[in-house]
Amino acid sequence: GQQLNQSPQSMFIQEGEDVSMNCTSSSIFNTWLWYKQDPGEGPVLLIALYKAGELTSNGRLTAQFGITRKDSFLNISASIPSDVGIYFCAGGPFSGSARQLTFGSGTQLTVLP
Amino acid sequence: EAQVTQNPRYLITVTGKKLTVTCSQNMNHEYMSWYRQDPGLGLRQIYYSMNVEVTDKGDVPEGYKVSRKEKRNFPLILESPSPNQTSLYFCASSITPGSYEQYFGPGTRLTVT
Repeated sequence: GQQLNQSPQSMFIQEGEDVSMNCTSSSIFNTWLWYKQDPGEGPVLLIALYKAGELTSNGRLTAQFGITRKDSFLNISASIPSDVGIYFCAGGPFSGSARQLTFGSGTQLTVLP
Repeated sequence: EAQVTQNPRYLITVTGKKLTVTCSQNMNHEYMSWYRQDPGLGLRQIYYSMNVEVTDKGDVPEGYKVSRKEKRNFPLILESPSPNQTSLYFCASSITPGSYEQYFGPGTRLTVT
């Protein structure tokens, strides 16, 4: 099946720093989603991207849908302690069904004061 | 408040003792699904349901059963749990099967000894 490579697996950063993480795929996706999972909670949708090249922001978060349709990037600016958690990417193929989402393995973010 | 709820949140059981994890959503969503989350493997889909009385296998269905008798509820049944089913389980829902944007429950951490 389809596979997503998400990197880095973990990050330790200082409060106030910017963060970048990405997902790459061997297959083309029609949709890219980014979720955040707080400790002890379920994933929460942060940003959804539906068009190649699209750049979308949600507060201090910015995500981009790669031109090749095989990758996506998430940036967090001026990190704060509550940014701690696991960030997941997910890709959806052209057929458009939640059944067919493929999830990355996650990036564990730790923000040091 | 729009939400997906799961019960129990934590469960320790023994091999072979049947158990049910409940999932309920109050958003009138058509699509519901179950995932398991294991370290380094991301989210893997167990079963999904397009609507009432319509269920189908996901990527890792072995050892699990589901039912969808009502739109709001989607219980996960382990008839004879085994240690390899020790995992973190998430229920999710979306407004239609064609929507990628899923809402996740808070998770159920299951340990089978």
